[in-house]
Amino acid sequence: ETGVTQSPTHLIKTRGQQVTLRCSSQSGHNTVSWYQQALGQGPQFIFQYYREEENGRGNFPPRFSGLQFPNYSSELNVNALELDDSALYLCASSFSGLAVYEQYFGPGTRLTVT
Amino acid sequence: GNSVTQMEGPVTLSEEAFLTINCTYTATGYPSLFWYVQYPGEGLQLLLKATKADDKGSNKGFEATYRKETTSFHLEKGSVQVSDSAVYFCALSDQEGRRALTFGSGTRLQVQP
Repeated sequence: ETGVTQSPTHLIKTRGQQVTLRCSSQSGHNTVSWYQQALGQGPQFIFQYYREEENGRGNFPPRFSGLQFPNYSSELNVNALELDDSALYLCASSFSGLAVYEQYFGPGTRLTVT
Repeated sequence: GNSVTQMEGPVTLSEEAFLTINCTYTATGYPSLFWYVQYPGEGLQLLLKATKADDKGSNKGFEATYRKETTSFHLEKGSVQVSDSAVYFCALSDQEGRRALTFGSGTRLQVQP
C-alpha cells in the first residue's frame, strides 16, 4: 500500500510569483484535504476535494485554489505569493464513506517566499 | 466554531517518566477526537482516535479518553522513551460533512536519557 506523497519537498519563490504543489493520495482513498502549517503552529485547513470538486474551504483567500484529478491526486495552486505564505503545506488523503473518518498525511512541501 | 486548546510546551521529561499532555476542545455536536504526532522533518502521523464519549483510544503505549463532560482528550503514557520526542497535536473533526480537522497549536515533548 502506497502512502501519501508530495512534491516538491522544498521550494523557494519570490513574492508575487505563483506556485503549484502536488499530492498523490494513498491507494484506495478518494478525498484530499490541504493544510497550511506555519512555523510553530498547528495545521490550518485550506480546502478539501472530493470527486474532483471542492468540498469545503477554510478561511483562505481565492488566490489559493486547487484541483483533483480522476486518479484522486491533487494540486494546490497559490497565486500572487506573499511573505506570510511561507509555511509547510500538508496534503491528507482519506476515504469518504467510512464511519470513522481518518486522514493520512504526506510529508509536506516546505515553501519559502522571499 | 470549533477550537482546540493544548498545554504549551516544551514538556521536558526524563526517560521512563509519566506523560500527560492536556487537550480541551470546543465544538458543536459530537466530534471525533484525534492525537497526531510529528517527528522532526516529517509530516503528521495519526497516533490514536476516539469517536464517542468515554471511548479510549490507545496506540504504542499512549492513551486518551474522550470526556464529553469536561470536553477533554488528554494524552497519557506511563513510561516515555527518548524516541517519543516529537510534537503532539490534538485535533477534532465533525462527524458529518467535510470533516475537516481543527488542530491545537501542538506541544513539543523532549525526553532526556
